[in-house]
Amino acid sequence: DAGVIQSPRHEVTEMGQEVTLRCKPISGHNSLFWYRQTMMRGLELLIYFNNNVPIDDSGMPEDRFSAKMPNASFSTLKIQPSEPRDSAVYFCASSFRTGGYETQYFGPGTRLLVL
Amino acid sequence: QKEVEQNSGPLSVPEGAIASLNCTYSDRVSQSFFWYRQYSGKSPELIMSIYSNGDKEDGRFTAQLNKASQYVSLLIRDSQPSDSATYLCAVLNTGFQKLVFGTGTRLLVSP
Repeated sequence: DAGVIQSPRHEVTEMGQEVTLRCKPISGHNSLFWYRQTMMRGLELLIYFNNNVPIDDSGMPEDRFSAKMPNASFSTLKIQPSEPRDSAVYFCASSFRTGGYETQYFGPGTRLLVL
Repeated sequence: QKEVEQNSGPLSVPEGAIASLNCTYSDRVSQSFFWYRQYSGKSPELIMSIYSNGDKEDGRFTAQLNKASQYVSLLIRDSQPSDSATYLCAVLNTGFQKLVFGTGTRLLVSP
């Protein structure tokens, strides 16, 4: 089975540009999570979806960040406009949530560098 | 106070020794605790979960939980160089049903 798929794997852009990160969760999973990892702040949850509906976006740093999940097999995280402080590794994870806790499977991550 | 705290390390142990990784958390009502391993440049992967006070063993790994002290640890017996990685402690935030991660402890196992 394919795991969580993320694209692009690496992104270098200039300040002010729009950045779109993409995620395909594991088939059959109903929860999807976007995380950001930096050396200073560690791994932080940005937003998560359950059955394509955003449940908690309290981790989204500011209005420049937005996330969508138009269907069960695709999600995007968009940064517009991007800033150098957005440079980080962005992970997508998915799980099958049944009411209790479930194991999250992480994608390989997108390494974003904003110049 | 951070919700989940870990010593960043690095923790250096010789091959064959026991590595002890520690984590404290602030949310007293947390019920679920997890250890993830992350190799350099890779994504986190779950290696242990624990829900009750006491010890839980899985192969060379033992997770220990003390809810009264709000403390969770991971012991790695017979450490191998391949265990060299960053170990992330995660606690399930009961209210929002989301994981809160510590910043991780880097483990170095020397041959």
